[in-house]
Amino acid sequence: GAVVSQHPSRVICKSGTSVKIECRSLDFQATTMFWYRQFPKKSLMLMATSNEGSKATYEQGVEKDKFLINHASLTLSTLTVTSAHPEDSSFYICSASYDLPSSYEQYFGPGTRLTVT
Amino acid sequence: TQLLEQSPQFLSIQEGENLTVYCNSSSVFSSLQWYRQEPGEGPVLLVTVVTGGEVKKLKRLTFQFGDARKDSSLHITAAQTGDTGLYLCAGNAGGTSYGKLTFGQGTILTVHP
Repeated sequence: GAVVSQHPSRVICKSGTSVKIECRSLDFQATTMFWYRQFPKKSLMLMATSNEGSKATYEQGVEKDKFLINHASLTLSTLTVTSAHPEDSSFYICSASYDLPSSYEQYFGPGTRLTVT
Repeated sequence: TQLLEQSPQFLSIQEGENLTVYCNSSSVFSSLQWYRQEPGEGPVLLVTVVTGGEVKKLKRLTFQFGDARKDSSLHITAAQTGDTGLYLCAGNAGGTSYGKLTFGQGTILTVHP
């Protein structure tokens, strides 16, 4: 149980174009989904938190107009990188969670490798 | 802002050796998770600890949550090459944190044959 998928797993795009990444919880309804960015051999950096039907909450320093998050249902969230630039190249990971008594476990997707040329 | 200090950042050992990874904070967490991540993949949840002083075992891995719920450790006995990976601790503050996790910096473990 608690499987999260991400699509695509890898994407290469040209500078100036937009890219959409999907995150789905396959066997549970996620109350909250999170989007992270990870640099090589580094820990995860939280970008934003999203709840179904409401606006995402972005972390300090993350441009909400550049990284558009839509949480259309309890099983789907999307991250759109708009007007991508080479510095946006990174490993993007989503996670989904549902409330458990006394703990908040997150289940992670397999990640999306974005390369902007 | 809650911080989790994870150490060591890098660990290179021989197969069969034991090791311990630490996560420390000045803040109290309602729960703490340990994840393992392999290159090009997402983190996989290993364990969640919620009670101060709690000890959980997962085969050769032993996880401990400090009495005050401010620190945690992961001990691996007789490491194997398959244990190689990035280990992450992550804590949740509970309350209005809405499930947000504070991650440690990660420990890159390399186990040599």
